[in-house]
Amino acid sequence: EPEVTQTPSHQVTQMGQEVILRCVPISNHLYFYWYRQILGQKVEFLVSFYNNEISEKSEIFDDQFSVERPDGSNFTLKIRSTKLEDSAMYFCASSGREGAFFGQGTRLTVV
Amino acid sequence: AQSVTQLGSHVSVSEGALVLLRCNYSSSVPPYLFWYVQYPNQGLQLLLKYTSAATLVKGINGFEAEFKKSETSFHLTKPSAHMSDAAEYFCAVSDRGGKLIFGQGTELSVKP
Repeated sequence: EPEVTQTPSHQVTQMGQEVILRCVPISNHLYFYWYRQILGQKVEFLVSFYNNEISEKSEIFDDQFSVERPDGSNFTLKIRSTKLEDSAMYFCASSGREGAFFGQGTRLTVV
Repeated sequence: AQSVTQLGSHVSVSEGALVLLRCNYSSSVPPYLFWYVQYPNQGLQLLLKYTSAATLVKGINGFEAEFKKSETSFHLTKPSAHMSDAAEYFCAVSDRGGKLIFGQGTELSVKP
């Protein structure tokens, strides 16, 4: 069964450092997303990506965040200068006709 | 704007009892509705979805949900709870643009 894969599963970084979270969406999907879930809170939409550009982004997705599809398979989320409050679970998702499918997530811990 | 409200942050049932997790939505356009399950330290798994076909939707693991437009509800049910059903359940709405808006989640506990 096709699945969305995310790496790494857990990343610890120092405040102010840049991190890149990686995702491999399902191959025939065209829409890609990043969501985050702060511990104990609901899943929040960050950004959607279609046709090699951002189609929508939330208020959370400020200038510190960027997304990229550097090749035909990977979809990345970059946080330029991490803050303590960026600590969360980050989920990548891709969608097709059958719905949106999520990866297992990357737990980002900023210390 | 779309929104989802899940009534009850924590639901506890006995094994073999009926599971009912409540979800109400708000949407200015005909919605797509979803239920996802999250097991501890894992990602979100799609349980079922409503996309304007049959109002009673059957999903995996014996779960089903009924779309009721008049009540703006999409409650999740399972006739008989199993210990393995213990998890966090999220209701979500989409405006068909793909972006999902999630509810706060309901933690389901199953007692032996």
